[in-house]
Amino acid sequence: DSGVTQTPKHLITATGQRVTLRCSPRSGDLSVYWYQQSLDQGLQFLIQYYNGEERAKGNILERFSAQQFPDLHSELNLSSLELGDSALYFCASSSIPGHVGAFFGQGTRLTVV
Amino acid sequence: DQQVKQNSPSLSVQEGRISILNCDYTNSMFDYFLWYKKYPAEGPTFLISISSIKDKNEDGRFTVFLNKSAKHLSLHIVPSQPGDSAVYFCAASASSGSARQLTFGSGTQLTVLP
Repeated sequence: DSGVTQTPKHLITATGQRVTLRCSPRSGDLSVYWYQQSLDQGLQFLIQYYNGEERAKGNILERFSAQQFPDLHSELNLSSLELGDSALYFCASSSIPGHVGAFFGQGTRLTVV
Repeated sequence: DQQVKQNSPSLSVQEGRISILNCDYTNSMFDYFLWYKKYPAEGPTFLISISSIKDKNEDGRFTVFLNKSAKHLSLHIVPSQPGDSAVYFCAASASSGSARQLTFGSGTQLTVLP
């Protein structure tokens, strides 16, 4: 158990809909990262937050947004969903802005039908 | 443009032998490299890392080698055990101000045969 909690574990939704994925970081970790893993692909970095502020952005679509709340949990919002958005979405946390040894959650498997 | 490449999607090794997983990168700004292991239905688990100022880092059965001139790193597992069967991801990191992000390879499925 990495200490990073992601909910829900599975999500099935229709094209055009909007979903919210939630992540609770390890106790004491201020940095949260979101990654997307599509079929047979490596993990693609989406976005990083540190203590409530956006710190780095990767290949995140404009239809996607995220935020980190005062209690340090984070949400990833995906809207106007397309079939190609079906993927595993991972959250990771670390105690410092750097990524060294970041701990990953179990992921949310999103299926868009 | 894949900045981190794992060219072998799969590798099979006999139990007790050495497993060697390879990774190549193109971005010379990368200064920190990590290996993660991933079991099905679980998130990636950090395994071992190496800074660009070193060429080798060892942790128990796991050793990572870095060849900066060739932009190549490898993970050696010896002796390999059936429980090591998993997908292994290579990742690289470059500092961008106070932020760091990881760039992952596409992974190598290691199967250790009993």
